[in-house]
This record gives sequence, structure tokens and C-alpha cells, in this order.
Amino acid sequence: NAGVMQNPRHLVRRRGQEARLRCSPMKGHSHVYWYRQLPEEGLKFMVYLQKENIIDESGMPKERFSAEFPKEGPSILRIQQVVRGDSAAYFCASSPSSGDYNEQFFGPGTRLTVL
Amino acid sequence: AQSVTQLDSHVSVSEGTPVLLRCNYSSSYSPSLFWYVQHPNKGLQLLLKYTSAATLVKGINGFEAEFKKSETSFHLTKPSAHMSDAAEYFCVSTGFQKLVFGTGTRLLVSP
Repeated sequence: NAGVMQNPRHLVRRRGQEARLRCSPMKGHSHVYWYRQLPEEGLKFMVYLQKENIIDESGMPKERFSAEFPKEGPSILRIQQVVRGDSAAYFCASSPSSGDYNEQFFGPGTRLTVL
Repeated sequence: AQSVTQLDSHVSVSEGTPVLLRCNYSSSYSPSLFWYVQHPNKGLQLLLKYTSAATLVKGINGFEAEFKKSETSFHLTKPSAHMSDAAEYFCVSTGFQKLVFGTGTRLLVSP
């Protein structure tokens, strides 16, 4: 059973370009979470999605960031018009169901560098 | 609101000596608490979790943590450090289906 997969592992963009980060949850998991880790900091929650629905996006910046989890295919975190402050590691996690007692399984992350 | 505070940004130990990584939580209700480990340039791995069952929780790789409600603490311990334990450790709480991370403690293990 493959774990949570994220690609690309490393992504370099110039200011103003778009970044697309992909996350394939573990088999059988229908809940996906995105977190951002800035250098020397802990992870910060961004968004929680179930298939075709955004459940909680309270951690998403109001502009330029969007996320989706379509019925088929991976979850996508999209950052438009990237700026240097978007440079960070972006982690995706998945769980089989909702609830605070459920473990979230993390992917290896995508490290975004904005030049 | 849920929050966790990791009291030490760095902890240095010698191989074979005990490890103590401190974590305090604040919560308006009984929380679920986790410890995750992150090795350099890797994802996060769950070490252990507390979900209101036994207060002493045993995890992988010889780690354990004790939930102390009176002290609002959930410190992580290991009797004898190994070089491979060198990593970043995060104390994590849950809050409405999202994880709330502490700022992390970097564990350094010297030979």
C-alpha cells in the first residue's frame, strides 16, 4: 500500500509564475489536508478537503491560493503569481475518515523555491 | 482554542543517555495529542498518539509520552538515545479536524 504521494518533490518558480502541487492520498483515504512549513517553523494548516468539497479553508491566504480534490485524480494546491514569501515546504496528509482521533498520514512534501 | 508549546527549540544529548522533549498544551476540551518526527528533507512520521485512553502512551522506536492533565503536559521521553534519533520533533494537537503543530524541537545526538 503506497503512502501519500506528492509531486513534484522540488519546484522552482520565478516571481509571477504559477505553482501546482499534487497530492495523491493513500488508497482508501478520502480526506486530504494541506500544510505549509516555512523555514525553521512548524507546520501550519491551510485547507481540508474531501472529494469534491472544501471543508475548511481557514488557513488559506485569501488571494492567489486555491485547492481542489476532484472526484478523480489527485488533490491540487495551486498558487498563482508566486512571490518569494511563498517559498516553503508544502505537505499533504490524508486520513480514512474525519475526526480528531484519526491519524493523518503525511507525504514527503513539495519544496517550493521562488526566485 | 487548541495550542501546543514546545519549551525547547534545541535539545542536545549524548548517545545512550535519556531524551526528554517537553510539550505543554492548552485546550478547551480533552485533546488528542500526537508526537511526530521529521528527518531532514523528509515527511513526517507519527511516533505516538494519545486519545484519552491510557495516560502513558508507548510509541515506535522506544519513545513514550505521558499525558498529565494536572500539568497540561505531554512530554516525550526515551531511555537511551540513538544517533538515528537526531531529527525535528513536533508536538501536535487536534482542533476541529486539523492538526495544530508546535514550533518543533531539534534533537541533536552526539557520539
